[in-house]
Amino acid sequence: GESVGLHLPTLSVQEGDNSIINCAYSNSASDYFIWYKQESGKGPQFIIDIRSNMDKRQGQRVTVLLNKTVKHLSLQIAATQPGDSAVYFCAEIPNAGNMLTFGGGTRLMVKP
Amino acid sequence: DAGVTQSPTHLIKTRGQQVTLRCSPKSGHDTVSWYQQALGQGPQFIFQYYEEEERQRGNFPDRFSGHQFPNYSSELNVNALLLGDSALYLCASSRDSSFSTFGSGTRLTVV
Repeated sequence: GESVGLHLPTLSVQEGDNSIINCAYSNSASDYFIWYKQESGKGPQFIIDIRSNMDKRQGQRVTVLLNKTVKHLSLQIAATQPGDSAVYFCAEIPNAGNMLTFGGGTRLMVKP
Repeated sequence: DAGVTQSPTHLIKTRGQQVTLRCSPKSGHDTVSWYQQALGQGPQFIFQYYEEEERQRGNFPDRFSGHQFPNYSSELNVNALLLGDSALYLCASSRDSSFSTFGSGTRLTVV
């Protein structure tokens, strides 16, 4: 079946640098995309979302970019901090129904 | 304001047994979804409950069943446990088109 996937399983960055986490999706019918952060022993925590009628959305230190032409989603974290260390998942919701389809996750490690 | 709460936090069961996991949604939320997360993988959708009925279901066998109560809380039941059912079980709640809020999960180990 169709699923959401990620290019890089592990990303290591220096504290203060910018981080970019990528995600490829295959369901062109998806209407809504969400990035979640999951720390050890916790459930996924909402970071930012974007609808398919947008190509960019900014939050506090985070930006999500959506390229529907190549079915690509990215999460940019500015001035990465040690507290950003976690596993990041992108998830999609098709335009029919509201179940989340998650990718396999990218582990972000921030070096002090 | 309490978020999504799940109980128990950890559980060990023997193969073949049955288990019930519980979830209380975030205040104001009326929809509850359950996900299974194997170690090192993303959560996989099991099913969703709304107005006490199963509204949507993922690719899980009938051994997985659930229930939603009038106060919107929910239970996930798994019968005839297999070793492969060992995972983190996540409950998420939402209302209308809001994004899902997740609980911290129940870590189930089947031995």
